[in-house]
Amino acid sequence: AQSVTQLGSHVSVSEGALVLLRCNYSSSVPPYLFWYVQYPNQGLQLLLKYTSAATLVKGINGFEAEFKKSETSFHLTKPSAHMSDAAEYFCAVSDWGRDDKIIFGKGTRLHILP
Amino acid sequence: EAGVAQSPRYKIIEKRQSVAFWCNPISGHATLYWYQQILGQGPKLLIQFQNNGVVDDSQLPKDRFSAERLKGVDSTLKIQPAKLEDSAVYLCASSVSSGASTDTQYFGPGTRLTVL
Repeated sequence: AQSVTQLGSHVSVSEGALVLLRCNYSSSVPPYLFWYVQYPNQGLQLLLKYTSAATLVKGINGFEAEFKKSETSFHLTKPSAHMSDAAEYFCAVSDWGRDDKIIFGKGTRLHILP
Repeated sequence: EAGVAQSPRYKIIEKRQSVAFWCNPISGHATLYWYQQILGQGPKLLIQFQNNGVVDDSQLPKDRFSAERLKGVDSTLKIQPAKLEDSAVYLCASSVSSGASTDTQYFGPGTRLTVL
């Protein structure tokens, strides 16, 4: 069964610094991969998704992620952190063509230091 | 465009009581999802509707949870009777078409349930 592992339940970066949130997936077939963001007291919002086209995916708010099959990774990055990026980020996977259900990771809370 | 609406936003009940949550998806969205998000975990799909039919309810604890989507628009999720472990945020989401995982899901703000 497919799954994702997010490394680090909390990550702190200084404002203006690089943001790197790590996600590794497990899937027996080529997966679809997603990153969602959840701001306090709000629902989830899709940041970006990988659906077997370009391996470097650009999303909203300056975020991007790169699919690396050899490393089974889909890490999320942003060159320069902003205070408004403070939120919880979820990596997710689905096996299109099988049960097609989205399986979420446990999330990483991103803290931005002034 | 109005987003996914959920009510109530917060609910506190005692164990063995009943509770119901309501969701109104984005107008015209065919697929509706209910997720359970326990503190410290990612959302877990409970049930997926396409129009007013159930597509997937394999992770819905059917002995105590029920959901319906009459007329293919809004939906209610009920827990009867509630247990302590049901304390969670219940998220509703909708997507415009077939419900494939590549469809963008739009989430509501959730209902935070506390069972004492």
